[in-house]
Amino acid sequence: GAVVSQHPSWVICKSGTSVKIECRSLDFQATTMFWYRQFPKQSLMLMATSNEGSKATYEQGVEKDKFLINHASLTLSTLTVTSAHPEDSSFYICSALGQTTEAFFGQGTRLTVV
Amino acid sequence: QKEVEQNSGPLSVPEGAIASLNCTYSDRGSQSFFWYRQYSGKSPELIMFIYSNGDKEDGRFTAQLNKASQYVSLLIRDSQPSDSATYLCAVTPGGSYIPTFGRGTSLIVHP
Repeated sequence: GAVVSQHPSWVICKSGTSVKIECRSLDFQATTMFWYRQFPKQSLMLMATSNEGSKATYEQGVEKDKFLINHASLTLSTLTVTSAHPEDSSFYICSALGQTTEAFFGQGTRLTVV
Repeated sequence: QKEVEQNSGPLSVPEGAIASLNCTYSDRGSQSFFWYRQYSGKSPELIMFIYSNGDKEDGRFTAQLNKASQYVSLLIRDSQPSDSATYLCAVTPGGSYIPTFGRGTSLIVHP
C-alpha cells in the first residue's frame, strides 16, 4: 500500500504552547487529507478534511482557530494545535487519499499537554 | 446521518478458528467498503477493500459484500494471536469521498 509518514510520533508540550504535526504522502500525490483524533478506547473522530490549495472543512464542534490545518502541496499537510491545553491530549492521526478510493493512515502522533 | 455499525465485542476465538466480523451501513448508495486493522496504540492499517457484491479473498482474509442487505463482513481464517486487534469498517457514502468509520470490533485470538 501507499506510504503516509506522520511526524512527530509523540510530543509533550507545556500548556499554552503550540504544536505542529506534519503528514506527508511519500509515494503518491494526496489530493485530500483527513485529520482524526482518537481518545483511549474510543473510535476515530474526524476533525477536518483538507484539499490541496483550499481551506480545510472542519467537522461540527471542531474549533478551526485552535486546530489550524494547512495543505499547501500535494504531499504535505500540517495540523497545528494552538494554545494547547491538557484536554487536547490525544492521539492525532492523518490519512491521505490519492487518485484511488483507499485512504492510508500515517503512524499517528500522541500529544501530551502538561 | 450516514451510519456504519459494528458490534464492539470483544469477539474471542481460539487460535486456528475462523473469525467473522460484521458491519452494516445505512446509506444504500455507498460505493466503497474498507476494513482496517488497528493495534492498541497504533494507527489503522488498511487490510481489505471491496467494491462489488460477493467475496474478495486475500490470503487468510475474505471480505464479503451484500449491497442488498447493506452489510459487509470480514472473515479471518486460521486466526492467530497476532490478529488480535480492533477491526474498523469504513464505508464511503454515495456522492462522497469521505469515509465513515464504524466504532470497531475488538478481536481476541487466544492460544
